[in-house]
Amino acid sequence: DAKTTQPTSMDCAEGRAANLPCNHSTISGNEYVYWYRQIHSQGPQYIIHGLKNNETNEMASLIITEDRKSSTLILPHATLRDTAVYYCIVRWFNDYKLSFGAGTTVTVRA
Amino acid sequence: GAGVSQSPSNKVTEKGKDVELRCDPISGHTALYWYRQSLGQGLEFLIYFQGNSAPDKSGLPSDRFSAERTGGSVSTLTIQRTQQEDSAVYLCASSLVDLAAQETQYFGPGTRLLVL
Repeated sequence: DAKTTQPTSMDCAEGRAANLPCNHSTISGNEYVYWYRQIHSQGPQYIIHGLKNNETNEMASLIITEDRKSSTLILPHATLRDTAVYYCIVRWFNDYKLSFGAGTTVTVRA
Repeated sequence: GAGVSQSPSNKVTEKGKDVELRCDPISGHTALYWYRQSLGQGLEFLIYFQGNSAPDKSGLPSDRFSAERTGGSVSTLTIQRTQQEDSAVYLCASSLVDLAAQETQYFGPGTRLLVL
Protein backbone atom coordinates (compact mmCIF):
# COMPACT_ATOMS: atom_id res chain seq x y z
CA ASP A 1 0.00 0.00 0.00
CA ALA A 2 1.07 3.54 -0.68
CA LYS A 3 2.29 5.44 2.35
CA THR A 4 0.84 8.76 3.39
CA THR A 5 2.39 11.84 4.94
CA GLN A 6 0.42 14.15 7.20
CA PRO A 7 1.40 17.07 9.42
CA THR A 8 1.82 16.06 13.02
CA SER A 9 -0.58 18.61 14.40
CA MET A 10 -2.64 21.65 13.57
CA ASP A 11 -4.89 24.11 15.34
CA CYS A 12 -8.16 25.44 14.04
CA ALA A 13 -10.53 28.14 15.23
CA GLU A 14 -14.04 27.09 16.09
CA GLY A 15 -16.48 27.93 13.29
CA ARG A 16 -13.76 28.14 10.68
CA ALA A 17 -12.99 25.60 7.99
CA ALA A 18 -10.26 23.11 8.81
CA ASN A 19 -8.15 21.98 5.85
CA LEU A 20 -6.16 18.83 6.52
CA PRO A 21 -3.54 17.93 3.92
CA CYS A 22 -2.29 14.47 3.03
CA ASN A 23 0.44 13.46 0.62
CA HIS A 24 0.32 10.08 -1.09
CA SER A 25 2.70 10.49 -3.99
CA THR A 26 3.11 6.73 -4.60
CA ILE A 27 -0.60 5.98 -4.82
CA SER A 28 -1.55 3.52 -7.56
CA GLY A 29 -4.54 3.66 -9.84
CA ASN A 30 -6.66 1.20 -7.88
CA GLU A 31 -6.03 2.65 -4.45
CA TYR A 32 -8.64 4.71 -2.68
CA VAL A 33 -8.03 7.57 -0.28
CA TYR A 34 -9.77 7.10 3.06
CA TRP A 35 -10.07 9.39 6.04
CA TYR A 36 -10.85 8.28 9.56
CA ARG A 37 -10.68 10.16 12.83
CA GLN A 38 -10.31 9.07 16.42
CA ILE A 39 -11.61 11.17 19.24
CA HIS A 40 -9.86 10.59 22.53
CA SER A 41 -10.83 7.28 24.16
CA GLN A 42 -13.13 6.31 21.30
CA GLY A 43 -12.82 3.94 18.35
CA PRO A 44 -11.88 5.23 14.91
CA GLN A 45 -14.72 6.86 13.00
CA TYR A 46 -15.06 6.70 9.23
CA ILE A 47 -15.30 10.13 7.61
CA ILE A 48 -15.10 9.88 3.84
CA HIS A 49 -13.31 8.20 0.97
CA GLY A 50 -12.69 8.74 -2.72
CA LEU A 51 -10.87 7.44 -5.76
CA LYS A 52 -10.28 10.45 -8.00
CA ASN A 53 -13.34 12.67 -7.87
CA ASN A 54 -14.00 15.13 -5.11
CA GLU A 55 -16.47 13.83 -2.57
CA THR A 56 -18.76 15.47 -0.02
CA ASN A 57 -20.92 14.07 2.73
CA GLU A 58 -22.54 15.39 5.87
CA MET A 59 -19.26 15.38 7.74
CA ALA A 60 -16.67 16.66 5.34
CA SER A 61 -15.40 17.22 1.82
CA LEU A 62 -12.51 15.42 0.19
CA ILE A 63 -10.53 17.17 -2.50
CA ILE A 64 -8.16 14.95 -4.50
CA THR A 65 -5.66 16.53 -6.85
CA GLU A 66 -5.81 15.62 -10.51
CA ASP A 67 -2.58 13.61 -10.29
CA ARG A 68 -3.94 11.92 -7.12
CA LYS A 69 -0.69 12.49 -5.29
CA SER A 70 -2.29 14.51 -2.54
CA SER A 71 -5.64 15.27 -1.02
CA THR A 72 -7.26 17.62 1.45
CA LEU A 73 -9.96 16.86 3.96
CA ILE A 74 -12.13 19.88 4.66
CA LEU A 75 -14.23 20.23 7.77
CA PRO A 76 -16.40 23.18 6.73
CA HIS A 77 -17.28 24.58 10.16
CA ALA A 78 -15.08 23.08 12.82
CA THR A 79 -16.52 22.60 16.28
CA LEU A 80 -14.85 21.71 19.55
CA ARG A 81 -16.14 18.16 19.07
CA ASP A 82 -13.99 17.83 15.95
CA THR A 83 -10.87 17.78 18.10
CA ALA A 84 -9.35 14.40 17.26
CA VAL A 85 -6.55 12.57 15.49
CA TYR A 86 -7.26 12.41 11.77
CA TYR A 87 -5.87 9.57 9.70
CA CYS A 88 -5.40 9.59 5.95
CA ILE A 89 -4.83 6.16 4.43
CA VAL A 90 -4.72 4.68 0.97
CA ARG A 91 -5.79 1.14 0.30
CA TRP A 92 -6.63 -1.28 -2.47
CA PHE A 93 -10.31 -1.79 -3.04
CA ASN A 94 -10.20 -5.29 -1.57
CA ASP A 95 -7.60 -4.80 1.16
CA TYR A 96 -9.43 -5.16 4.43
CA LYS A 97 -6.47 -4.79 6.78
CA LEU A 98 -6.56 -1.17 7.87
CA SER A 99 -3.35 0.36 9.06
CA PHE A 100 -3.06 3.85 10.47
CA GLY A 101 0.03 5.99 10.72
CA ALA A 102 0.51 8.75 13.28
CA GLY A 103 -2.16 10.97 11.76
CA THR A 104 -2.74 14.68 12.37
CA THR A 105 -3.77 15.81 15.82
CA VAL A 106 -6.33 18.54 15.22
CA THR A 107 -7.20 20.84 18.07
CA VAL A 108 -10.20 23.11 17.60
CA ARG A 109 -9.99 26.16 19.85
CA ALA A 110 -12.84 28.39 20.96
CA GLY B 1 -29.28 2.65 13.83
CA ALA B 2 -27.15 0.96 16.45
CA GLY B 3 -23.44 0.90 15.86
CA VAL B 4 -20.84 -1.68 16.78
CA SER B 5 -20.89 -2.42 20.48
CA GLN B 6 -18.16 -3.98 22.58
CA SER B 7 -18.03 -5.29 26.11
CA PRO B 8 -16.64 -4.84 28.60
CA SER B 9 -15.51 -1.28 28.02
CA ASN B 10 -12.68 -1.76 30.48
CA LYS B 11 -11.03 -4.89 31.80
CA VAL B 12 -8.33 -5.20 34.42
CA THR B 13 -6.87 -8.65 34.90
CA GLU B 14 -3.89 -10.32 36.47
CA LYS B 15 -1.06 -11.78 34.48
CA GLY B 16 -1.76 -15.37 33.58
CA LYS B 17 -5.55 -15.08 33.61
CA ASP B 18 -7.75 -15.63 30.56
CA VAL B 19 -10.00 -12.87 29.23
CA GLU B 20 -12.90 -12.79 26.79
CA LEU B 21 -13.82 -9.70 24.83
CA ARG B 22 -17.14 -9.45 23.04
CA CYS B 23 -18.20 -7.65 19.87
CA ASP B 24 -21.70 -7.10 18.51
CA PRO B 25 -21.44 -5.90 14.91
CA ILE B 26 -23.91 -3.72 13.08
CA SER B 27 -26.93 -5.79 12.10
CA GLY B 28 -26.59 -7.13 8.59
CA HIS B 29 -22.84 -6.62 8.36
CA THR B 30 -21.24 -9.80 7.13
CA ALA B 31 -17.62 -8.86 7.76
CA LEU B 32 -16.11 -8.48 11.22
CA TYR B 33 -12.59 -7.41 12.19
CA TRP B 34 -10.53 -7.30 15.35
CA TYR B 35 -7.68 -4.84 15.81
CA ARG B 36 -5.64 -3.67 18.72
CA GLN B 37 -4.11 -0.32 19.46
CA SER B 38 -1.38 0.02 22.02
CA LEU B 39 -0.60 3.31 23.74
CA GLY B 40 1.01 5.57 21.21
CA GLN B 41 0.97 2.87 18.56
CA GLY B 42 -0.93 2.52 15.35
CA LEU B 43 -3.69 0.13 14.50
CA GLU B 44 -2.71 -3.55 14.41
CA PHE B 45 -4.88 -6.00 12.49
CA LEU B 46 -5.66 -9.23 14.33
CA ILE B 47 -8.34 -11.27 12.58
CA TYR B 48 -11.05 -11.01 9.91
CA PHE B 49 -14.31 -12.95 9.56
CA GLN B 50 -16.37 -12.89 6.38
CA GLY B 51 -19.55 -14.91 6.15
CA ASN B 52 -18.90 -18.64 6.20
CA SER B 53 -15.37 -18.36 4.86
CA ALA B 54 -12.40 -19.43 6.92
CA PRO B 55 -11.23 -16.45 8.99
CA ASP B 56 -8.01 -14.65 8.22
CA LYS B 57 -6.03 -15.16 11.42
CA SER B 58 -2.76 -13.84 10.04
CA GLY B 59 -2.59 -10.94 12.49
CA LEU B 60 -2.93 -12.89 15.72
CA PRO B 61 0.35 -12.33 17.61
CA SER B 62 0.52 -15.72 19.31
CA ASP B 63 -1.42 -18.93 19.87
CA ARG B 64 -2.69 -17.45 23.13
CA PHE B 65 -5.06 -15.38 21.01
CA SER B 66 -8.15 -16.87 19.41
CA ALA B 67 -11.48 -15.61 18.15
CA GLU B 68 -14.74 -17.04 17.06
CA ARG B 69 -17.87 -15.72 15.49
CA THR B 70 -21.08 -17.54 16.25
CA GLY B 71 -24.06 -17.49 13.93
CA GLY B 72 -22.42 -14.95 11.68
CA SER B 73 -22.97 -12.19 14.18
CA VAL B 74 -21.44 -11.85 17.66
CA SER B 75 -17.72 -12.43 18.00
CA THR B 76 -15.54 -13.23 21.00
CA LEU B 77 -11.81 -12.59 21.19
CA THR B 78 -10.11 -14.74 23.81
CA ILE B 79 -6.67 -14.14 25.23
CA GLN B 80 -5.29 -16.99 27.30
CA ARG B 81 -2.62 -16.63 29.96
CA THR B 82 -2.51 -12.87 29.56
CA GLN B 83 0.81 -11.06 29.63
CA GLN B 84 1.51 -7.43 30.45
CA GLU B 85 2.34 -6.72 26.80
CA ASP B 86 -1.24 -7.65 25.94
CA SER B 87 -2.39 -4.41 27.55
CA ALA B 88 -4.00 -2.37 24.79
CA VAL B 89 -7.30 -1.19 23.38
CA TYR B 90 -8.98 -3.98 21.46
CA LEU B 91 -11.17 -2.66 18.68
CA CYS B 92 -13.85 -4.44 16.71
CA ALA B 93 -15.18 -3.25 13.37
CA SER B 94 -17.79 -4.48 10.94
CA SER B 95 -18.70 -3.80 7.35
CA LEU B 96 -20.93 -4.76 4.49
CA VAL B 97 -19.09 -6.60 1.77
CA ASP B 98 -19.77 -4.77 -1.47
CA LEU B 99 -18.61 -6.72 -4.48
CA ALA B 100 -18.46 -3.57 -6.54
CA ALA B 101 -16.40 -1.37 -4.31
CA GLN B 102 -15.14 -0.81 -0.86
CA GLU B 103 -15.71 -2.22 2.55
CA THR B 104 -16.07 0.77 4.83
CA GLN B 105 -15.32 -0.41 8.31
CA TYR B 106 -17.28 0.94 11.26
CA PHE B 107 -15.60 0.65 14.62
CA GLY B 108 -16.85 0.01 18.10
CA PRO B 109 -15.65 2.00 21.13
CA GLY B 110 -13.09 -0.62 22.07
CA THR B 111 -12.24 -2.61 25.19
CA ARG B 112 -9.37 -1.23 27.23
CA LEU B 113 -7.45 -4.16 28.64
CA LEU B 114 -4.94 -3.72 31.41
CA VAL B 115 -2.89 -6.70 32.52
CA LEU B 116 -1.26 -6.23 35.90
